[in-house]
Amino acid sequence: KQEVTQIPAALSVPEGENLVLNCSFTDSAIYNLQWFRQDPGKGLTSLLLIQSSQREQTSGRLNASLDKSSGRSTLYIAASQPGDSATYLCAVPGSARQLTFGSGTQLTVLP
Amino acid sequence: EAQVTQNPRYLITVTGKKLTVTCSQNMNHEYMSWYRQDPGLGLRQIYYSMNVEVTDKGDVPEGYKVSRKEKRNFPLILESPSPNQTSLYFCASSLASNQPQHFGDGTRLSIL
Repeated sequence: KQEVTQIPAALSVPEGENLVLNCSFTDSAIYNLQWFRQDPGKGLTSLLLIQSSQREQTSGRLNASLDKSSGRSTLYIAASQPGDSATYLCAVPGSARQLTFGSGTQLTVLP
Repeated sequence: EAQVTQNPRYLITVTGKKLTVTCSQNMNHEYMSWYRQDPGLGLRQIYYSMNVEVTDKGDVPEGYKVSRKEKRNFPLILESPSPNQTSLYFCASSLASNQPQHFGDGTRLSIL
């Protein structure tokens, strides 16, 4: 059964710093990996989706990488802003089209 | 505006009283899914649907039912709710299972 782990569980950084969030998964037979953002009291917003044939995806200040062989993905946030404060989750689909989520990293960017 | 709409947003009810949480999307998506989110357990998939009349169990389907009679709607049914189903529920949809999912704003259910 697929297991997804996110480290750290919480992270607090000053505004302007570059930061990296980590996601690891146990079954490398995935066909994509998604990163989401969740704001308090809200649903999830899809940030980036990396197909298994890709090694990275970029959207604005966000860059996500995928290393299937090692079962790892990272989300890089450049020049962090207070508006980036949220919980970030990664998710991978299983063979039966189920989606397994990590428990998330709660990010706080201090002004 | 493209969106996934869940109703109700909040519900407090009692054990055993059947309830339905509706989910509707206006993006003509084929794939729809229900999740519950609990502290310390994260998001777990309850049921998903690849298309009309095609549904399948996720990781935690016990105590729930779903139906997909129309492409846009995917209701979640709790026939006999119990307190352990108190949770935050999310509906999501996507063009296909390997495409980015769009989430509703959530439904907070409290079963007393």
